[in-house]
Amino acid sequence: RKEVEQDPGPFNVPEGATVAFNCTYSNSASQSFFWYRQDCRKEPKLLMSVYSSGNEDGRFTAQLNRASQYISLLIRDSKLSDSATYLCVSRMDSSYKLIFGSGTRLLVRP
Amino acid sequence: NAGVTQTPKFQVLKTGQSMTLQCAQDMNHNSMYWYRQDPGMGLRLIYYSASEGTSDKGEVPNGYNVSRLNKREFSLRLESAAPSQTAVSFCASSPPGQNYGYTFGSGTRLTVV
Repeated sequence: RKEVEQDPGPFNVPEGATVAFNCTYSNSASQSFFWYRQDCRKEPKLLMSVYSSGNEDGRFTAQLNRASQYISLLIRDSKLSDSATYLCVSRMDSSYKLIFGSGTRLLVRP
Repeated sequence: NAGVTQTPKFQVLKTGQSMTLQCAQDMNHNSMYWYRQDPGMGLRLIYYSASEGTSDKGEVPNGYNVSRLNKREFSLRLESAAPSQTAVSFCASSPPGQNYGYTFGSGTRLTVV
């Protein structure tokens, strides 16, 4: 079983739609979580950290449920430029190493 | 502000050839990493370095070696390239602390034929 699992998608949504991705992690010792965005043939870029109380950055909202060991990302008012692969990432308490999910692909159509 | 710089961006090797991928960061980060990404798969850690002069194996170290000669640079060497090493390799760095993510370089697309 992968340490971080994501639905690969693709999620195909119209502009303006709200879309949500979930991700599960298997190691309960994981302490920090992130969402990264990766455009086709580009490097991953940090989208946002995920805090226990949930956090929002503009149209993006991240939530963490430690009891169920899942993380979510909600994107409101989708833009064409949101089309990308979204990587769910965890980090163990005692390590600087990040564990990446395989990513969820989002396609936003006009 | 360059961030993390990797060279080369593309490389084709024949089976058995060796080469070194270079990575440098100008953000004064302590930790540096090498990941590989295979089509349809997530990033997997090859090696990492918590500080100058140190390195540790990650999830997929076989066939690779690394060198962290100073704080800025972390190189990845393929001693005898194999087709299984065809992938995109990303270098990354991070500051100390749990709440910081990585900054990635633009990647090296490596093909071994």
